[in-house]
Amino acid sequence: NAGVTQTPKFRVLKTGQSMTLLCAQDMNHEYMYWYRQDPGMGLRLIHYSVGEGTTAKGEVPDGYNVSRLKKQNFLLGLESAAPSQTSVYFCASSRGTSGIGETQYFGPGTRLLVL
Amino acid sequence: AQTVTQSQPEMSVQEAETVTLSCTYDTSESDYYLFWYKQPPSRQMILVIRQEAYKQQNATENRFSVNFQKAAKSFSLKISDSQLGDAAMYFCAYRSAFLWGTSYGKLTFGQGTILTVHP
Repeated sequence: NAGVTQTPKFRVLKTGQSMTLLCAQDMNHEYMYWYRQDPGMGLRLIHYSVGEGTTAKGEVPDGYNVSRLKKQNFLLGLESAAPSQTSVYFCASSRGTSGIGETQYFGPGTRLLVL
Repeated sequence: AQTVTQSQPEMSVQEAETVTLSCTYDTSESDYYLFWYKQPPSRQMILVIRQEAYKQQNATENRFSVNFQKAAKSFSLKISDSQLGDAAMYFCAYRSAFLWGTSYGKLTFGQGTILTVHP
C-alpha cells in the first residue's frame, strides 16, 4: 500500500497561473482533507470531502476549489495563483468513523511557490 | 470554535534526557480526542500518540507519554530518553468526537514546537 500520495512534490508558479494538486489514497477511506501549512501557524483546513462526489469548505477556502469525482482522489485547484498561496499543502484521509481509532493519514506534502 | 495553543516555539534537550512539550486547548465540547504529531525535516506528518478525553488514564507509547489535565485543558507530551531521531517539529492537535455538523473530523492544530536534540 502506498498510503496517501501527492503530486507534484514541488512547483513554482507565476501570479495568475492555475494548477491542480492531486491527492490519491489506496486505503478506501471515505474522508479526505486538504490543509495548508504556513510558518508559525500550524496546519489549517482548506476543503474537505466526506465521500465521493461531496466537497465542503474548511477554514481557509478562498482562492481554492476542489473535486472528488473518484473515491480515491481528491483534487485541489488554484484558478489564479497569488503569492499569499505560497505554502506547503498536505492531503490527509481517514475512514470516516467515530472513535479514537479514527486516524488521519497524511501525504508527504506539496511545496508551492508563487512568484 | 476550538483553538490549540503551543506556547513554546522552540525547545532543546540533551540526548538521553527528558523533555516536556506544552499544549493547551479551548473547547466547549466534553468528548474529543487529542493528538501529538511529529514532523521531521522530510515534512511527513507522523502520529506520535493520541488521547481520548473521556479516559482519565494518560496515554503512553514507548518513550512518549502525555499528561492530560481535562479540567485545565492541558495536554503535554513527555519524551523520555531523548534520541537524535526525535528532533522535529511537534504539533498538538484536537479533534471533536463528532463527525457531523461543523466538526467533520477535522484536526485543529497548534502552531508547533521545534525540538532540537543535542548529542
